[in-house]
Amino acid sequence: QQQVRQSPQSLTVWEGETAILNCSYEDSTFNYFPWYQQFPGEGPALLISIRSVSDKKEDGRFTIFFNKREKKLSLHITDSQPGDSATYFCAARRNNYAQGLTFGLGTRVSVFP
Amino acid sequence: GALVYQYPRRTICKSGTSMRMECQAVGFQATSVAWYRQSPQKTFELIALSTVNSAIKYEQNFTQEKFPISHPNLSFSSMTVLNAYLEDRGLYLCGARDVGRNSDYTFGSGTRLLVI
Repeated sequence: QQQVRQSPQSLTVWEGETAILNCSYEDSTFNYFPWYQQFPGEGPALLISIRSVSDKKEDGRFTIFFNKREKKLSLHITDSQPGDSATYFCAARRNNYAQGLTFGLGTRVSVFP
Repeated sequence: GALVYQYPRRTICKSGTSMRMECQAVGFQATSVAWYRQSPQKTFELIALSTVNSAIKYEQNFTQEKFPISHPNLSFSSMTVLNAYLEDRGLYLCGARDVGRNSDYTFGSGTRLLVI
């Protein structure tokens, strides 16, 4: 059973539009949620993260909206640029001493000029 | 900044042979190292988590006998894929973090393993 689910599997937007990526999780003990961006041939790079005590985190054009009650979160990419074309992974873990990350299957975003 | 280097970037090994991959953390103390395998169907599978002063914890379906890991200091880790077969193909990623600073995981670019 997939502990972290992402949708859609792929997403195409035009330059300047807002891309919305969805994520949900099963384990209510998860309390830390990073999003990673991965380009082909590279490892995933941390993009933005949120802790469960917050319901919103913003960093430039990237914003996470978090709903603890529904165990859902979303990543909004405003003013999408062609350079944002990548696969985005939602991840989760418990914020204690040593925990690995549980990843979703990713959303492949394509931004067309 | 925090960087993680992995080598080799890609490797080919014959079925039944073994392959060692390395992970180097630069600019921070890698008190916790997580090894993952990424494949198209299974996204990131956590193989094991190594934390200093603690035993290496392997996830279900992965064993020390198959994927022995070494984490001798705060900047280096290695993992070997023993007796590799087709199902071991994939991109092996090393992620490291400084637990003391509660930092996020920094990942390397991975070692792509092809088994023939």
